[in-house]
This record gives sequence, structure tokens and C-alpha cells, in this order.
Amino acid sequence: GQNIDQPTEMTATEGAIVQINCTYQTSGFNGLFWYQQHAGEAPTFLSYNVLDGLEEKGRFSSFLSRSKGYSYLLLKELQMKDSASYLCAVRGSAGSARQLTFGSGTQLTVLP
Amino acid sequence: GAGVSQSPSNKVTEKGKDVELRCDPISGHTALYWYRQSLGQGLEFLIYFQGNSAPDKSGLPSDRFSAERTGGSVSTLTIQRTQQEDSAVYLCASSSTGDYGYTFGSGTRLTVV
Repeated sequence: GQNIDQPTEMTATEGAIVQINCTYQTSGFNGLFWYQQHAGEAPTFLSYNVLDGLEEKGRFSSFLSRSKGYSYLLLKELQMKDSASYLCAVRGSAGSARQLTFGSGTQLTVLP
Repeated sequence: GAGVSQSPSNKVTEKGKDVELRCDPISGHTALYWYRQSLGQGLEFLIYFQGNSAPDKSGLPSDRFSAERTGGSVSTLTIQRTQQEDSAVYLCASSSTGDYGYTFGSGTRLTVV
């Protein structure tokens, strides 16, 4: 099975940088995903890591260390619209494990 | 279609009644997933369809829950004899083989009273 841990809540100031951590224990691994979910809306895809290292996409970056079972999502130049829940998800390695297992999400509040 | 479509967007039902939730995936996507999200909780996997293969039902919480996918496209999630603990947002997602991830629908908010 899979177990995914991330902080429940975080608060940061507009214009600042925030790092949201995610740790996981899995029986197989085939990629780690970050999704953004605004209140009352569907999750939307942010990033995907399958190899170790940093993936950068505009203001958002995601890092993966497979040996440590660790990832983080880095948000730069925070904007008020970044207030949302950020979901870490892991995909298993074979067969029925192809489905994503999600963490409980980190609720980020951006303050003016 | 352009995105994953789910209907109804909201459903209020009385305890003990049956409900059907519909999902219309992105055209050409072979994989379809159902998740549910209770208030303040993460996404809980329910069931997974891939092409013509037998579905992975390992996440269904009880035998009151069932799902089918007709013609490899539209899927219906059925909950029989609904209970208050079934109240949640039911999310459907689809993906094509090799996709990085899923595209989610907007969900059906189910309230059992």
C-alpha cells in the first residue's frame, strides 16, 4: 500500500516563497504528482516528477528524492489566487496500482 | 468533449434511497477513475476502469457501491440504500495511456439527509 503525509495547513504572505513538503511510503513507485484544488472546484494538475531532481514551471517548482521518499512543491512570488489546497499524489508501479493515491492536502492561505 | 463532464452537480437524497452519478470522460481517454472527497479530507480511490479490462474495484467501501462503464466511455456510479456517511463530493477523472496524470470533472456533491 501507500502512505502519504503532508502538512494540513500553511500560511504565507503575498509575494513570498512557500515550500510544501510531502513524504511517502509506497510498495512501488511510478511518479509523484502535485495538484491544486480551489474550494468547491476540481483538482487541477500542477506537476509531475518521476526522476530525482527539480522540475520548474513558471512560479511553481517540484522536487523529488526517491531514495528519501520525499517531494516538495515550491511556490514563488505568491499571489492571493494561490490560496488553495495542494494535493500530493503517488502512482504505483504496476497493474491496479496505476491509480493515484492522494495525500489529505495542504491548505495554503496567502495573506496580503 | 473538451473536458470531463459529471452530472448532476448536486444531489440531495433521503437516507435509504438509491442514487446514480454519471461521468462522461474526455473523448479517447481509455482510463476512468472514481474518487470521493469528504469534507476536509483527501481523495479516496473508489474504482478504476482501463479499456476493456476488468475494473479495479478495490476501493469500493461496501457492496452498496457499484459502477459500470458502457462502451468504454460513459460511466455510472450507483450507490444503493444511501447512508449519511455517503455524503461527499464524488469526483471522476480520465486519462489516456502515457498521460502524466488525470483530468478531473467538477464532481457531484451528494448530500444524504
